[in-house]
Amino acid sequence: KQEVTQIPAALSVPEGENLVLNCSFTDSAIYNLQWFRQDPGKGLTSLLLIQSSQREQTSGRLNASLDKSSGRSTLYIAASQPGDSATYLCAVTGGNYQLIWGAGTKLIIKP
Amino acid sequence: DAMVIQNPRYQVTQFGKPVTLSCSQTLNHNVMYWYQQKSSQAPKLLFHYYDKDFNNEADTPDNFQSRRPNTSFCFLDIRSPGLGDAAMYLCATSRDRANEQFFGPGTRLTVL
Repeated sequence: KQEVTQIPAALSVPEGENLVLNCSFTDSAIYNLQWFRQDPGKGLTSLLLIQSSQREQTSGRLNASLDKSSGRSTLYIAASQPGDSATYLCAVTGGNYQLIWGAGTKLIIKP
Repeated sequence: DAMVIQNPRYQVTQFGKPVTLSCSQTLNHNVMYWYQQKSSQAPKLLFHYYDKDFNNEADTPDNFQSRRPNTSFCFLDIRSPGLGDAAMYLCATSRDRANEQFFGPGTRLTVL
């Protein structure tokens, strides 16, 4: 059974720092991995999608990597800003086409 | 802009009073999903439509039903809401299965 883990559960860093969020999964048979952002009381915003055949995707200050063989993905945020404060969730699409979710990392960027 | 729209954004209902939540999309995607998300938890898939084909999750209570009258609209019906059904309900769409999912802003349901 696929399990997705995100470490750390919470992270607080000063503005301007580069940071890395981690996501691991137990079964490498995935179609893709998606990173989402969720602000308190809001819906989910898709940040990046990495297909199983890809190694990384970039969007602005965000870079996501995927190492399927080791079951790991990282989300790199460059030059963090207070507006980046949110909960970040990763999810993998497994064999039944469903998203299997991590519990999220709550990120706080201190001004 | 192409998007996923949910109405209402906030819904208050009484215990046992039926409620319907609405989702519409301008993306012309084949798949529409309904998720339930409780505080500090990951979203939980309730069911999804692949075109007109309805797929119910095994652990979705019978109290929850869905309708998709056309490609653009999908509804979530809660026949007899209980206090435990208070949650954020999220609608999502994807072009096909295993494609990127796009979420609406959610409907916050309160049950009194």
